[in-house]
Amino acid sequence: AQSVSQHNHHVILSEAASLELGCNYSYGGTVNLFWYVQYPGQHLQLLLKYFSGDPLVKGIKGFEAEFIKSKFSFNLRKPSVQWSDTAEYFCAVNSQGNLIFGKGTKLSVKP
Amino acid sequence: ETGVTQTPRHLVMGMTNKKSLKCEQHLGHNAMYWYKQSAKKPLELMFVYNFKEQTENNSVPSRFSPECPNSSHLFLHLHTLQPEDSALYLCASSQDFDEQFFGPGTRLTVL
Repeated sequence: AQSVSQHNHHVILSEAASLELGCNYSYGGTVNLFWYVQYPGQHLQLLLKYFSGDPLVKGIKGFEAEFIKSKFSFNLRKPSVQWSDTAEYFCAVNSQGNLIFGKGTKLSVKP
Repeated sequence: ETGVTQTPRHLVMGMTNKKSLKCEQHLGHNAMYWYKQSAKKPLELMFVYNFKEQTENNSVPSRFSPECPNSSHLFLHLHTLQPEDSALYLCASSQDFDEQFFGPGTRLTVL
């Protein structure tokens, strides 16, 4: 069965620190990859997505992610986090029409 | 505003009650989804509708019954639920299998 692994359950950073959240998936075929974010009390919303082309994709709010096919990874990065980035981040893989989510990583940014 | 609305936002029901969750999308999408979000577990896909036809049922117990009368509306009928069914139920929509747009969810508590 396809699965998505997010390595960190809870990450705590100070403002201006760099962020990298890990995501690995198990499916070997063609996949579409997503990062979603859920700010406290708000809807899940899309941060960025990869379908094809340049494996380094840029999303909203300064986030980017790199698709490394050989490692089945799609890690999320941001060079300098802000307090407003405090949220829960979900990696997801769409294969054969269904979106499979990871368990999520809570990010807490200390001012 | 994501274009996907859900009602009610909160619901408390007893195990013998029958209730329904409603989802409406204003985005002209052709696919709609029900997810269950429980603490410390990945988002679980429950049902998928594409052009009003159910294309996925992820082994969901029969006490959950979906209904999709048209491509803009999706219902989840609930009856004889169990306390472990307490969770946040999210609706989403997409055009084909592109990015999914999520509603705010219904927080369900089963007593």
